[in-house]
Amino acid sequence: GAGVSQSPSNKVTEKGKDVELRCDPISGHTALYWYRQRLGQGLEFLIYFQGNSAPDKSGLPSDRFSAERTGESVSTLTIQRTQQEDSAVYLCASSRGFGETQYFGPGTRLLVL
Amino acid sequence: AQSVTQPDIHITVSEGASLELRCNYSYGATPYLFWYVQSPGQGLQLLLKYFSGDTLVQGIKGFEAEFKRSQSSFNLRKPSVHWSDAAEYFCAVGGTSGTYKYIFGTGTRLKVLA
Repeated sequence: GAGVSQSPSNKVTEKGKDVELRCDPISGHTALYWYRQRLGQGLEFLIYFQGNSAPDKSGLPSDRFSAERTGESVSTLTIQRTQQEDSAVYLCASSRGFGETQYFGPGTRLLVL
Repeated sequence: AQSVTQPDIHITVSEGASLELRCNYSYGATPYLFWYVQSPGQGLQLLLKYFSGDTLVQGIKGFEAEFKRSQSSFNLRKPSVHWSDAAEYFCAVGGTSGTYKYIFGTGTRLKVLA
């Protein structure tokens, strides 16, 4: 596609529910990143994919967070048993390779009530 | 620990005035350095990046940044600000030292007065 797309754009959920966030990277981009941006904060790195493997998961805040990627395509970020502190904008970015320019999606705004 | 500091949370300048946004980093080696802009309702866009070589790098929209190793700084500058530059600006480091993690600063929100 023309750019990185993310869905849904907004998600409201109740505490304790699971949510799944989707990222469609730019076609041909092997590298994919997930970030979290809390209100008034900078971006917080969550995980990096090279192809469908994740050599760096160091930013995932707890075992409630997981992510997977199908080949060099779609990635999903899953948050289980959501907590109010999970409320944030979740951003996805893709690049041709590691160290290359990252192109960001518009983000998914998650609100946990 | 690796970190990025943007000491100015908010900056207000008049249109046509010069601009400098500060960024300091702490990193084990010379990192890759980036400046991104996030406009209201828009996604993050890369303004410029430094990997190696000439320490003064030119970016899009008339921005430039200078890497100063001795000061661990990578300040963003623009000689004459336009009203459309009002946005939030993020400095980021990463890409070296055996990690895939990119670290972002907390951002500087720029307001431009007409």
